[in-house]
Amino acid sequence: GNSVTQMEGPVTLSEEAFLTINCTYTATGYPSLFWYVQYPGEGLQLLLKATKADDKGSNKGFEATYRKETTSFHLEKGSVQVSDSAVYFCALRGTYKYIFGTGTRLKVLA
Amino acid sequence: DTEVTQTPKHLVMGMTNKKSLKCEQHMGHRAMYWYKQKAKKPPELMFVYSYEKLSINESVPSRFSPECPNSSLLNLHLHALQPEDSALYLCASSQDRWLAGAEQYFGPGTRLTVT
Repeated sequence: GNSVTQMEGPVTLSEEAFLTINCTYTATGYPSLFWYVQYPGEGLQLLLKATKADDKGSNKGFEATYRKETTSFHLEKGSVQVSDSAVYFCALRGTYKYIFGTGTRLKVLA
Repeated sequence: DTEVTQTPKHLVMGMTNKKSLKCEQHMGHRAMYWYKQKAKKPPELMFVYSYEKLSINESVPSRFSPECPNSSLLNLHLHALQPEDSALYLCASSQDRWLAGAEQYFGPGTRLTVT
């Protein structure tokens, strides 16, 4: 079946550090892939998406590339800010529903 | 407008109460979803409506009863809940349930506490 695996958190970084959050998936076919962010006490917000192999999604300085050969969709940002502190969910759109990873909590220190 | 609204923001109810959660979107989306999210966990799918018809029920107990009165509104009726049902309930919508690549838009959620 379809599944998403994310790196365990929490991830703690200093401001302006480089961020990578790993995400790998198992799926039949070519699912669309997403990163969502959830700030404390709020719902999920779409951060970026990619719909086919080699697509790069980007938004607000975050990027992720759909790698079919490694079944990965790692999230990166060159310089994190305190305001990026949140929980990040990798997700794929399966046959009939969206599958979410377990989430990775990011804490950025000033 | 890419907003999904949910009311109420917080709800405390006893195990014998009946209450309803409301969700609204005006993006013309034809798929709407209810999720349950426990602390430090990902959202768990409960129900999917497609073109106002119930499309998926993920084996949710009957004390949760969804309703889709029209294409913009989604309700979740609650009755005889248990303390373990306390969670954040999220509503989401997408353009079409079958459209590849369609992202979901989430509301801010209703924080439910069952006493």
